[in-house]
Amino acid sequence: QSVLTQPPSASGTPGQRVTISCSGSSSNIGSNTVNWYQQLPGTAPKLLIYSNNQRPSGVPDRFSGSKSGTSASLAISGLQSEDEADYYCAAWDDSLNGHVVFGGGTKLTVL
Amino acid sequence: QLQLQESGPGLVKPSETLSLTCTVSGGSISSSSYYWGWIRQPPGKGLEWIGSIYYSGSTYYNPSLKSRVTISVDTSKNQFSLKLSSVTAADTAVYYCARRYLAAAVNWGQGTLVTVSS
Repeated sequence: QSVLTQPPSASGTPGQRVTISCSGSSSNIGSNTVNWYQQLPGTAPKLLIYSNNQRPSGVPDRFSGSKSGTSASLAISGLQSEDEADYYCAAWDDSLNGHVVFGGGTKLTVL
Repeated sequence: QLQLQESGPGLVKPSETLSLTCTVSGGSISSSSYYWGWIRQPPGKGLEWIGSIYYSGSTYYNPSLKSRVTISVDTSKNQFSLKLSSVTAADTAVYYCARRYLAAAVNWGQGTLVTVSS
């Protein structure tokens, strides 16, 4: 059971906009920033969004993040076939001396 | 360009200690502002943060693993290491090392599969 809650799956057609939600609590998302990772099949995860809505160099602006209260969202616009991957949210959790917590992951299928 | 590479046995017997090392190249493990961490992913499942360490030796561990985990750093070799004791089949996973900035794992190793089996 993951500390952060994500839908197990999401889907969309090419060109569509899809969003993935991430729900937490006051000790994690409610008081710290959220990061998002993309994991393509058979590869290591890659940082996609950090500090709620910042994109590392090289990440297309089709990817965007937002946070409100104890929830966060990842939005992908202009969906492409290569976006088919697993997506994970993560945040620092202030409980028990502090540690990073992940969501369970959302498998995005491009139909 | 910063690179991280995990190394260690791919097979560990139940009840023994899993030991992995991450070698950092293209940058110094003594850089300020960065922590160095371990993350694992059981086959077909999600990510789990194991813990992280600063070059000075300060650590943060996942409370669910804290009693079995030790992360250490060797600045002279630009390496950091993971030890997980009393392993069971549930510890079978791909283990990744990563460089952490604030709470984000910015750079990742390619990962190494460790199987716990007799």
